[in-house]
Amino acid sequence: KAGVTQTPRYLIKTRGQQVTLSCSPISGHRSVSWYQQTPGQGLQFLFEYFSETQRNKGNFPGRFSGRQFSNSRSEMNVSTLELGDSALYLCASSRATGSETQYFGPGTRLLVL
Amino acid sequence: GESVGLHLPTLSVQEGDNSIINCAYSNSASDYFIWYKQESGKGPQFIIDIRSNMDKRQGQRVTVLLNKTVKHLSLQIAATQPGDSAVYFCAENSAGNKLTFGGGTRVLVKP
Repeated sequence: KAGVTQTPRYLIKTRGQQVTLSCSPISGHRSVSWYQQTPGQGLQFLFEYFSETQRNKGNFPGRFSGRQFSNSRSEMNVSTLELGDSALYLCASSRATGSETQYFGPGTRLLVL
Repeated sequence: GESVGLHLPTLSVQEGDNSIINCAYSNSASDYFIWYKQESGKGPQFIIDIRSNMDKRQGQRVTVLLNKTVKHLSLQIAATQPGDSAVYFCAENSAGNKLTFGGGTRVLVKP
């Protein structure tokens, strides 16, 4: 079974731009969660989507948003990029929501200049 | 399980020895705990998990111990191999699928 895939793998943007990242979960998984990983803050939860609905949200500004499609694929968007948004963005999928094992993709490395 | 900064604690271990990685979690309501391994340039890889109704769980060469009284989790790796060199994270699940991660421990295996 194929793992979680994320596109693109690497991205360079400038301040003020916006970016959209994509995540395809493991086949049959209906929950997708997003995390940000930085050297300074470690791994932090952004949000979780299940059945096209946001179920949980972390402590990030409204510039960070996401959505989930009927095939469980998910996208996250960051608007008005700031230098501090440079990070590895990780997507994880699980079969359902609620204390389910999450499997991570390889991440998208975003650099904001 | 709040994150720490750039300087990860490092565990240096001789190949073939056993490794023990410790983690303190913060939320007494957390009911599910997971250990992940992250190699350079890759996403976290699931190693082993444990639910709050258990205090020990064993996998292949790995054992997780949970002490709810002191909110402590540990990962034991038997006969550590060079391929075990990575950063290890503990994570607690407290609501839905929201994981709160520890700061990580870097394991270096010496040949």
